[in-house]
Amino acid sequence: NAGVMQNPRHLVRRRGQEARLRCSPMKGHSHVYWYRQLPEEGLKFMVYLQKENIIDESGMPKERFSAEFPKEGPSILRIQQVVRGDSAAYFCASSPPGGRQYFGPGTRLTVT
Amino acid sequence: QQPVQSPQAVILREGEDAVINCSSSKALYSVHWYRQKHGEAPVFLMILLKGGEQKGHEKISASFNEKKQQSSLYLTASQLSYSGTYFCGTPGGANFGNEKLTFGTGTRLTIIP
Repeated sequence: NAGVMQNPRHLVRRRGQEARLRCSPMKGHSHVYWYRQLPEEGLKFMVYLQKENIIDESGMPKERFSAEFPKEGPSILRIQQVVRGDSAAYFCASSPPGGRQYFGPGTRLTVT
Repeated sequence: QQPVQSPQAVILREGEDAVINCSSSKALYSVHWYRQKHGEAPVFLMILLKGGEQKGHEKISASFNEKKQQSSLYLTASQLSYSGTYFCGTPGGANFGNEKLTFGTGTRLTIIP
């Protein structure tokens, strides 16, 4: 059973561009969580989604950030007009209903 | 609010023991422990679901004190592979699973030969 997959693993964007991060949950997992980790810091929750629904987005910045988890395909975290402060590692985790979270390898975003 | 971990960092020689503490200002319903090596994803270690529960994983075990709103992670006879940053994570409510985790401040553990 393949683990949580994220791509790309590394992403470089110039200020003002858009970044799209993808997360494919483990087979049978219908819950997806996105966390952000700034350099030398801990993991901060961003958003929790189930298929086609956002359950909790209390950690998402109000502007420029959005997330979706469509009926078909991976979950996508989208950052518009990136700024240097968006440089971080973005981790996705998935879980089955009522189960613990399994983390993906992360996407390291660098904004130049 | 973010759980506070102590110590922030610790250096051990191979074979020594360590204790990592996680304290919350809010009620704890469960505690999740993860280890993260530099540049890698967090790796799940264990979950403690009940007050007073202790669980073990190889030479790594943990306890959970609901009343004190604390959990402790015990590493005995540490190995080089134990190096990394340890995080505790707590959900917001009493229902296990399907909730965001609020992670602690982290404890960086370095094991030297």
